[in-house]
Amino acid sequence: KAGVTQTPRYLIKTRGQQVTLSCSPISGHRSVSWYQQTPGQGLQFLFEYFSETQRNKGNFPGRFSGRQFSNSRSEMNVSTLELGDSALYLCASSGQGYTEAFFGQGTRLTVV
Amino acid sequence: GESVGLHLPTLSVQEGDNSIINCAYSNSASDYFIWYKQESGKGPQFIIDIRSNMDKRQGQRVTVLLNKTVKHLSLQIAATQPGDSAVYFCADSSGNTPLVFGKGTRLSVIA
Repeated sequence: KAGVTQTPRYLIKTRGQQVTLSCSPISGHRSVSWYQQTPGQGLQFLFEYFSETQRNKGNFPGRFSGRQFSNSRSEMNVSTLELGDSALYLCASSGQGYTEAFFGQGTRLTVV
Repeated sequence: GESVGLHLPTLSVQEGDNSIINCAYSNSASDYFIWYKQESGKGPQFIIDIRSNMDKRQGQRVTVLLNKTVKHLSLQIAATQPGDSAVYFCADSSGNTPLVFGKGTRLSVIA
């Protein structure tokens, strides 16, 4: 069974640009959660989607958004990038909710 | 909001010894706990989980202990190997709330 796939693995963007990250969950999983990981703040929850609906949202500005498609694949978008958005962005999939969540390898975003 | 923390940021153990990584949580409503291992450059890898109706659960070379009275969680790794070197995170959830992660403990195995 294939694991969680995140693309791209690495990204370098300039301040002010926008970026879209993709996450394909484990087959059959309907819940996708996104996390931001930085050395200073650790793993912080961004949002969670289940059956194309956002069920929970973390404490991040509106520049961070996401969506989920009918095949459970999810994308997150960050607009007007800031230097502080440099981080490892992780997505996790689970059957439903937050139990037995499996992570992808992450997308390393660097904003210059 | 609530947070989950780890007692020690780093832990060094001799190869072959047992490792114990501790975690404290603050949300008394938490009913689900999970441990992840994260190696450099990789995403967190699921190790083991436990629900609040249990106080112990065993996996392959790993055991998770839950003490709800003092809100404490621990991960025991038996016969620690060099491949166990990584950062270990605990996380908790209550019902349908997102996982709250601790800052992590870096485990270094000395050959």
